[in-house]
Amino acid sequence: DTEVTQTPKHLVMGMTNKKSLKCEQHMGHRAMYWYKQKAKKPPELMFVYSYEKLSINESVPSRFSPECPNSSLLNLHLHALQPEDSALYLCASSQVPGHFSNQPQHFGDGTRLSIL
Amino acid sequence: AQKVTQAQTEISVVEKEDVTLDCVYETRDTTYYLFWYKQPPSGELVFLIRRNSFDEQNEISGRYSWNFQKSTSSFNFTITASQVVDSAVYFCALSEEQGGSEKLVFGKGTKLTVNP
Repeated sequence: DTEVTQTPKHLVMGMTNKKSLKCEQHMGHRAMYWYKQKAKKPPELMFVYSYEKLSINESVPSRFSPECPNSSLLNLHLHALQPEDSALYLCASSQVPGHFSNQPQHFGDGTRLSIL
Repeated sequence: AQKVTQAQTEISVVEKEDVTLDCVYETRDTTYYLFWYKQPPSGELVFLIRRNSFDEQNEISGRYSWNFQKSTSSFNFTITASQVVDSAVYFCALSEEQGGSEKLVFGKGTKLTVNP
């Protein structure tokens, strides 16, 4: 079992719905990440939180809104999504933020999101 | 910009065969980190190895081995005596620093199928 827990595992929503994805880790990691992965493609970084502050936003549309309420929890709020947003959304965490932290990113199982 | 190339899109082998997954990278950084991740059908990205640019020593972990050659900018991954459970998509990744945080740049992945 992964130490990064994502809920729900599957989500189907309409384009007008509002939903949230949740990611939790209890490893004491201080960097957390959201990735989007389309079928047969590599993961693409969306957001990075470093010590609960947003440090990277890869020009993600505002219909995706991240939130890091504490060091263990990372949310991704979804609103007015488009069919092309259907994908696997992966959360990851690493012990210490930064390029030279010498710690790998640990990934959750992901949430498979389908937009009708 | 950083770039990772995994030229092999799909590989199919019979159990107990050895298989090598190729990874070639491009970077202007003198200090960088390379990774391999495994993604089984369940979706989770499983960390396999992290190697920094100053450590060219090859590494072996059970049936897995990695050959890092800076001269050819390659970081190849060999599975010895492959097993059906090795079937997965394998991603090579390179980290770069952005805004004080680490960003992973993934190759397109190689889908490995091990047949019984």
